[in-house]
Amino acid sequence: GAVVSQHPSRVICKSGTSVKIECRSLDFQATTMFWYRQFPKQSLMLMATSNEGSKATYEQGVEKDKFLINHASLTLSTLTVTSAHPEDSSFYICSALPTANTEAFFGQGTRLTVV
Amino acid sequence: GQSLEQPSEVTAVEGAIVQINCTYQTSGFYGLSWYQQHDGGAPTFLSYNGLDGLEETGRFSSFLSRSDSYGYLLLQELQMKDSASYFCAAILNTGGFKTIFGAGTRLFVKA
Repeated sequence: GAVVSQHPSRVICKSGTSVKIECRSLDFQATTMFWYRQFPKQSLMLMATSNEGSKATYEQGVEKDKFLINHASLTLSTLTVTSAHPEDSSFYICSALPTANTEAFFGQGTRLTVV
Repeated sequence: GQSLEQPSEVTAVEGAIVQINCTYQTSGFYGLSWYQQHDGGAPTFLSYNGLDGLEETGRFSSFLSRSDSYGYLLLQELQMKDSASYFCAAILNTGGFKTIFGAGTRLFVKA
């Protein structure tokens, strides 16, 4: 199956700093990638849809100025958590749909801890 | 709003069969997928239904009824390693495709 690589897998940062998470599709091109956040023992909540070459589409309630998404190429999307606070600590996961009616391929996830 | 409902927990014994149900209320529904997630890991794909009916993949099967906005995942010959969270996920086409997830069902398999 297709491979999506996410980096870093774990990151600890100080409150007020920014953190960038990368999501790469290794063996296919993804015009669209998705960013999810998952709190412990909860579901994956869609944050935004990342579109190559255009602005991301954010879900209701997600602050676009806090969670900056850039999809500069067909194989790379980045999520930057700006001015991170402890409540931003979570598991962030990206995914890509190579075609509409196939499985979504997920990155390994990034465990963000803000101290 | 868009939502998927599934039971929060299910417990079964090794070797048994378990069914996890999922009902959905969505617009732009395209298909239903199922994912497995172990603690600390990323979701892994199990099955997809684009059409009504049953899809079988080894020990796992999934069913969809669009008219009832309902689907289920059937796990047979349960093994201890099947203990995990299972999510139903709807692929939606609302001017672009995206996937939204149910709250997840925690499956406990006992010896």
